[in-house]
Amino acid sequence: GENVEQHPSTLSVQEGDSAVIKCTYSDSASNYFPWYKQELGKRPQLIIDIRSNVGEKKDQRIAVTLNKTAKHFSLHITETQPEDSAVYFCAASGYGGSQGNLIFGKGTKLSVKP
Amino acid sequence: DAGVIQSPRHEVTEMGQEVTLRCKPISGHNSLFWYRQTMMRGLELLIYFNNNVPIDDSGMPEDRFSAKMPNASFSTLKIQPSEPRDSAVYFCASSLGLGRGAAKNIQYFGAGTRLSVL
Repeated sequence: GENVEQHPSTLSVQEGDSAVIKCTYSDSASNYFPWYKQELGKRPQLIIDIRSNVGEKKDQRIAVTLNKTAKHFSLHITETQPEDSAVYFCAASGYGGSQGNLIFGKGTKLSVKP
Repeated sequence: DAGVIQSPRHEVTEMGQEVTLRCKPISGHNSLFWYRQTMMRGLELLIYFNNNVPIDDSGMPEDRFSAKMPNASFSTLKIQPSEPRDSAVYFCASSLGLGRGAAKNIQYFGAGTRLSVL
């Protein structure tokens, strides 16, 4: 089945700097890659997603890139702000008999220091 | 829409007791997912349903765990008997459905149930 690896597990940056979180997946048939943000004590919430037919997607300060050949995708946050501090999860969606279920990475705890 | 609704928000019980967690998915969503989150193991998929039918329960840790979805608007996750190692936050999520549709895969999470087994 699908396996998703996420790095780093913790990331500390200064306010205004960029943050990059990387994930790799194992199933070449996976076609949907969302990123979730989870603030302390809250539920995971979708912040951006990308499908296998595109290589990059941007939404204001957030961007995601996908390399299907290498089977990895990354989250880029520019001009980080203290409110970006949270745990970020990448995920990959299965295909075939497991269409739609998400396999999550272990998460990256991002701390943005003012 | 109020989103995915889970109850209770917090549950404290003693080892050996039965625990039932409840979830109401977003109206119109056909897929429902149960996850368990712990510091050690992260976010684990336990089981998911499509059109009220269990599709994959390979993530259910053992026979003490069971899940049902009697109708499109309600699901339960039951632990009997509960053990201290079951302590975790349990999330329910729903999506429009399975398959390759543009919006189908987006999962919306409930607020979670924090379970403590003493």
